[in-house]
Amino acid sequence: DAGVTQSPTHLIKTRGQQVTLRCSPKSGHDTVSWYQQALGQGPQFIFQYYEEEERQRGNFPDRFSGHQFPNYSSELNVNALLLGDSALYLCASSGGDLLAAWGPDTQYFGPGTRLTVL
Amino acid sequence: AQSVTQLGSHVSVSEGALVLLRCNYSSSVPPYLFWYVQYPNQGLQLLLKYTTGATLVKGINGFEAEFKKSETSFHLTKPSAHMSDAAEYFCAVSDRGAGLGNKLVFGAGTILRVKS
Repeated sequence: DAGVTQSPTHLIKTRGQQVTLRCSPKSGHDTVSWYQQALGQGPQFIFQYYEEEERQRGNFPDRFSGHQFPNYSSELNVNALLLGDSALYLCASSGGDLLAAWGPDTQYFGPGTRLTVL
Repeated sequence: AQSVTQLGSHVSVSEGALVLLRCNYSSSVPPYLFWYVQYPNQGLQLLLKYTTGATLVKGINGFEAEFKKSETSFHLTKPSAHMSDAAEYFCAVSDRGAGLGNKLVFGAGTILRVKS
């Protein structure tokens, strides 16, 4: 059973550019959440997608946007990159089988995309 | 607003010794509580979670945590540390099932070092 996958693994961009990160949820999951983890800090919630709609959003500017596709995969887009956007971006999926070991409300994380903005 | 405080950014124990990682939370509603582990250059792996019911929760790899409402704490313990336990540990809170529309709020993390 494939877990949560993310691409690319690493990315280097310059200030002002735009970036798109991709996430495929764990098989059977329908909800995708995105988190930003700056160096030495805990992950911070960006937003969550369910049924192709943004359901909840954290304290991030509109430069951060997302999308969920009919197959439940998701993209995170960041425009006008700033140096402070350098971080590990984590995708987490949840939902699915009520009998799953930890329940449908548990978020499973992917390995992340390391974004460096120069 | 919810928040999590993890006391001690770094904890060092000897192999075979007790592991105790501290977590205190703030929540205006009954919380769901989680502990995740992160190995270098990897994502987060769930160790255990508390929703309702028994306040002592057992997780994977011999870890357990106890929910103490009066102390607003959810400390993580393991009786005997193993070298493979060296990693960063994150405590997190949500106000209901995270997959149903609510975010996880994480602490800053505690790096566990295990000495041989």
